[in-house]
Amino acid sequence: KAGVTQTPRYLIKTRGQQVTLSCSPISGHRSVSWYQQTPGQGLQFLFEYFSETQRNKGNFPGRFSGRQFSNSRSEMNVSTLELGDSALYLCASSPLGLEAFFGQGTRLTVV
Amino acid sequence: QQQVKQSPQSLIVQKGGIPIINCAYENTAFDYFPWYQQFPGKGPALLIAIRPDVSEKKEGRFTISFNKSAKQFSLHIMDSQPGDSATYFCAARRGRNTPLVFGKGTRLSVIA
Repeated sequence: KAGVTQTPRYLIKTRGQQVTLSCSPISGHRSVSWYQQTPGQGLQFLFEYFSETQRNKGNFPGRFSGRQFSNSRSEMNVSTLELGDSALYLCASSPLGLEAFFGQGTRLTVV
Repeated sequence: QQQVKQSPQSLIVQKGGIPIINCAYENTAFDYFPWYQQFPGKGPALLIAIRPDVSEKKEGRFTISFNKSAKQFSLHIMDSQPGDSATYFCAARRGRNTPLVFGKGTRLSVIA
């Protein structure tokens, strides 16, 4: 069974630009969550989607948004990028809302 | 306010030793406690998890000990190997379909 797939693996963007990251969950998993990982703050929850609906939301500004498609694939978008948005963005899928399986992440660098 | 406190930040052990990583939590509503292993450039991989109705769980060389009254849980790695060198994260969840709350991580180095 294929794992969680995130694309792209690496991105370099300029301040003020926007970016879209993609996540394909494990087949059959309907819940997709996004986390931001930085050396200073560790792993922080961004949001979770289930059946195309945002079910949970973390404490991030409105510049961070996401969506989920009918095939459970998810995208997250960050608008008006800031230097502090540089991080590893991780997507996790879950079969029953308890165990979470992470992808390899997208490393975003904002310059 | 850090909901899950993890210690130590870093740990160096000899091959064959038993590193122990500790986590403490405040929210008694937490009822699922997983541990993740992360290698550089990779995403966290689920290692082992425990629910509060048991005090210990073993999977291979990894053991979780859980103390509900003290609100603490720990990861023990038996017969540690250099390949176990990674960053380990504890986490907690207050029921299904709620966000995972992570500790800050412990960087483990196992030296031969």
